[in-house]
Amino acid sequence: GAVVSQHPSWVICKSGTSVKIECRSLDFQATTMFWYRQFPKQSLMLMATSNEGSKATYEQGVEKDKFLINHASLTLSTLTVTSAHPEDSSFYICSAKTGGETAEAFFGQGTRLTVV
Amino acid sequence: GQNIDQPTEMTATEGAIVQINCTYQTSGFNGLFWYQQHAGEAPTFLSYNVLDGLEEKGRFSSFLSRSKGYSYLLLKELQMKDSASYLCAAMDSNYQLIWGAGTKLIIKP
Repeated sequence: GAVVSQHPSWVICKSGTSVKIECRSLDFQATTMFWYRQFPKQSLMLMATSNEGSKATYEQGVEKDKFLINHASLTLSTLTVTSAHPEDSSFYICSAKTGGETAEAFFGQGTRLTVV
Repeated sequence: GQNIDQPTEMTATEGAIVQINCTYQTSGFNGLFWYQQHAGEAPTFLSYNVLDGLEEKGRFSSFLSRSKGYSYLLLKELQMKDSASYLCAAMDSNYQLIWGAGTKLIIKP
């Protein structure tokens, strides 16, 4: 299957700083990328859907000014957690898919963010 | 290395029962997840197992054997709307998710 790479795999940052997480599709062009958040032992929560070249669509309850998503190219989307606080500590996962309603989505390995 | 194996595709009949198997090899283990994904949609959470045994939730049940590195998702009283891909994912000791390629389940009338 296709490969989606997330970087970094884990990051520790100080409260008040910003952290950027990258999601890359390595061998295919991703017209759509999804960003998820997962709390320990709970379900994946869809945060936002981004289409290349347009603004991300955020799910209800997700602060778009806090979680900045940029999908500038067909192979890269970034999630920036701005002014991070300890409650933002979580596991963030991206997935990417090509165009078309029946296209498969492939997942990154996730990024574990710890805010201290 | 780390990997997840599950069948690529399965076919079952409406009203029947189907079992989707998943075997995993990870560095450490912090649980196994099953997700359902309909074409063109985001995946939805079905189950999480971290202890051995069977967890039942309505028509869906999930089983885990840590010693065997094995899980299965059991779907009963199949409905046409159950046609979807089913993703198995194991979480390793670093809380990284290792994803299976998904099993496409086709339900026939």
